[in-house]
Amino acid sequence: AQKVTQAQTEISVVEKEDVTLDCVYETRDTTYYLFWYKQPPSGELVFLIRRNSFDEQNEISGRYSWNFQKSTSSFNFTITASQVVDSAVYFCALSEPFSGSARQLTFGSGTQLTVLP
Amino acid sequence: NAGVTQTPKFQVLKTGQSMTLQCAQDMNHEYMSWYRQDPGMGLRLIHYSVGAGITDQGEVPNGYNVSRSTTEDFPLRLLSAAPSQTSVYFCASSSSTGNTEAFFGQGTRLTVV
Repeated sequence: AQKVTQAQTEISVVEKEDVTLDCVYETRDTTYYLFWYKQPPSGELVFLIRRNSFDEQNEISGRYSWNFQKSTSSFNFTITASQVVDSAVYFCALSEPFSGSARQLTFGSGTQLTVLP
Repeated sequence: NAGVTQTPKFQVLKTGQSMTLQCAQDMNHEYMSWYRQDPGMGLRLIHYSVGAGITDQGEVPNGYNVSRSTTEDFPLRLLSAAPSQTSVYFCASSSSTGNTEAFFGQGTRLTVV
């Protein structure tokens, strides 16, 4: 069975600090996809990134960066120079086997990030 | 594009009542799914569909029915609401081509009293 663990339930930082959100996953499959979604206070789910299991290159998008390490089954998310608008719940998710499509996702329990001014 | 549209946004039901949560997408996606979000538990898959006429159960299907008569619509039916079904429900759609993410609706907040 697949499992995603986000051990950090809540994190609070002061604006401009860097923060890393941890994600550890379990799967028996060799082909899979990992996702990060953001859920702001308004409640919608915003897609951030999708990464397949064969691509271990780190990715950077503006202040966001992702570190995928297959050896430790981790897909961590770092926000550099955090801003108040980054305050949200962040979810890590794992796709069903052999599909990059997100028809069946296993979600972690989420990390509530609060950025204080 | 409207994307994924869920109705209603809020609903209060009495125990034992039935209702249907509506979900429609205009992206011609083959895959549609229903999730529920409970505090501290993330989102859990209820049912999903890989195309019109084809549905399957997810992790927490009990108490819910689905059908998929068209590509666009994927309604979720609560047959006899229970307080344990108080949750936020999200509908999602995604393409079968594989290289996309799931697009989520705005969610329906359901309270069963």
